[in-house]
Amino acid sequence: GNSVTQMEGPVTLSEEAFLTINCTYTATGYPSLFWYVQYPGEGLQLLLKATKADDKGSNKGFEATYRKETTSFHLEKGSVQVSDSAVYFCALSDHGGSQGNLIFGKGTKLSVKP
Amino acid sequence: EAGVVQSPRYKIIEKKQPVAFWCNPISGHNTLYWYLQNLGQGPELLIRYENEEAVDDSQLPKDRFSAERLKGVDSTLKIQPAELGDSAVYLCASSVSRDSYEQYFGPGTRLTVT
Repeated sequence: GNSVTQMEGPVTLSEEAFLTINCTYTATGYPSLFWYVQYPGEGLQLLLKATKADDKGSNKGFEATYRKETTSFHLEKGSVQVSDSAVYFCALSDHGGSQGNLIFGKGTKLSVKP
Repeated sequence: EAGVVQSPRYKIIEKKQPVAFWCNPISGHNTLYWYLQNLGQGPELLIRYENEEAVDDSQLPKDRFSAERLKGVDSTLKIQPAELGDSAVYLCASSVSRDSYEQYFGPGTRLTVT
């Protein structure tokens, strides 16, 4: 079945450090891939997405590239801020019968220190 | 635009008691999802509605869980009777349709069963 594996946290970085959160997936066919973010006390919100191989999703300085050959969708940001502290979830959605259903990774908690 | 509204935000009950959660999706969103999020895990789909029809409830434990979406708008999720293992966060999300890539999440209801 489809699944998503994320690097385990927590991840603690200093402000302006480079961020990478690894995500790999297993899926039949060619799913769409997402990163959702959950700030403290808030609901999950979509951060970025990519719908086909080699697409790059980007938003708020975060980027992730859909790599079909390595089945990966790693999240990166060149310079993190304290306000980026949150839990980040990688997710996929297949295009078959359960299109629209999201399968999430376990989440990676990021803490950014001033 | 108002987001997805859920109530209550927190609920503490004793085991074997019933409990219900309510969700009001974003106006005009035809697809509604209920997710279960255990501590340290990503959300897992319980049920998906297209308008008032439950089109994917394969992960809903039907012996104790039930859900409804009257008139294709608000939805309630019920557990009867609750068990200790049901302690978790119950998330509601909505999207324009199943073809939409973005789901909008509510803040969730944190259930504690004692």
